[in-house]
Amino acid sequence: GEDVEQSLFLSVREGDSSVINCTYTDSSSTYLYWYKQEPGAGLQLLTYIFSNMDMKQDQRLTVLLNKKDKHLSLRIADTQTGDSAIYFCAESDYKLSFGAGTTVTVRA
Amino acid sequence: DGGITQSPKYLFRKEGQNVTLSCEQNLNHDAMYWYRQDPGQGLRLIYYSQIVNDFQKGDIAEGYSVSREKKESFPLTVTSAQKNPTAFYLCASSMGPPGGGLTEAFFGQGTRLTVV
Repeated sequence: GEDVEQSLFLSVREGDSSVINCTYTDSSSTYLYWYKQEPGAGLQLLTYIFSNMDMKQDQRLTVLLNKKDKHLSLRIADTQTGDSAIYFCAESDYKLSFGAGTTVTVRA
Repeated sequence: DGGITQSPKYLFRKEGQNVTLSCEQNLNHDAMYWYRQDPGQGLRLIYYSQIVNDFQKGDIAEGYSVSREKKESFPLTVTSAQKNPTAFYLCASSMGPPGGGLTEAFFGQGTRLTVV
């Protein structure tokens, strides 16, 4: 949607880190989310960050939030073939607004 | 097992026909949503419902209709007025409405609608 913007594609070598970036518009969002979509399936919540935090780490995932610039990023360490998917960032006010999704392709 | 179920997985419709997509959840969630997914456009909100017997238009409601007669069910009808209905449709539910608290949305597996 218009409220949330992401780059559309990312190609990464297996074992490297992936960084997916997102910008959002609604500064009142209390939480910001990252969802993952496997081919032909629905979305699953991957991780989230509270708007008062700058960083959240969850195993191989690191979320960075720059509230001033309204910029959110997701870093996946040691990217594996199973990480190939579409990743959506989302913000919530009265509805959940999703970005266009970043298609991550992991190459051997 | 609790979850959200969409049916059918694939649906073909002739131009000019209405078609209804099913969405059922047994998670006891109050809020339910319908999104449309097109390549490169992300998820666009069609309709959402925060409680039984109440629903609101999303960003692209024209040509669609919904009902919320039961908490568990939120069917979407794609009418003949929808000019470009071929898309992947996703239904989701959450415990409460978004905004304020943490809102995890649970998604169905989607229905791929093709107009022939």
